[in-house]
Amino acid sequence: SAVISQKPSRDICQRGTSLTIQCQVDSQVTMMFWYRQQPGQSLTLIATANQGSEATYESGFVIDKFPISRPNLTFSTLTVSNMSPEDSSIYLCSAWDRNTGELFFGEGSRLTVL
Amino acid sequence: AQSVTQLDSHVSVSEGTPVLLRCNYSSSYSPSLFWYVQHPNKGLQLLLKYTSAATLVKGINGFEAEFKKSETSFHLTKPSAHMSDAAEYFCVVSSRSGSSNTGKLIFGQGTTLQVKP
Repeated sequence: SAVISQKPSRDICQRGTSLTIQCQVDSQVTMMFWYRQQPGQSLTLIATANQGSEATYESGFVIDKFPISRPNLTFSTLTVSNMSPEDSSIYLCSAWDRNTGELFFGEGSRLTVL
Repeated sequence: AQSVTQLDSHVSVSEGTPVLLRCNYSSSYSPSLFWYVQHPNKGLQLLLKYTSAATLVKGINGFEAEFKKSETSFHLTKPSAHMSDAAEYFCVVSSRSGSSNTGKLIFGQGTTLQVKP
């Protein structure tokens, strides 16, 4: 099974700043995804991180606010831009291996915006 | 389109009694269904998954779920609750594009399981 590491695990940020979350998988995977879990809520898919091309965003999420990179098959970043308190959430990275059908989650990055 | 509905936002049981967490799904194709657990301040852990094999799926920590196509349900059960089972549980369906799995997950709203001594 794949192991996903996310950094930072938690952070406290000031309004108006941006923060980049890193996601490292210990093996090559077909697909990588980013989810958001707002306080007391379920998980919502932000986007699919595509290797070597622009991410595919779900309804309600835009690239200017959540730029995503995926330079190779094992690494992706999510930036939360111009943060406001409403962005306080847990952001989770997920990886899917199409060949095995296995899906894995990172531990999440808990952001608090003051 | 696929969706899941968790019928109870909060379930409270006594330790040693059975657990039932209810989930109904909607899917145009034979779905892949999952149950995940999230303990406070912890990441998501896969309890079990259904991918069109046996309809009764056994997972970790004594949990199991039964896929019932006629009822479009995938309820999670455990014969005897333990204090350590107190957590948030998510029923999840895998999103499909046509008949192909996309790898994206659609989460239910979650059920908080409380276990009383």
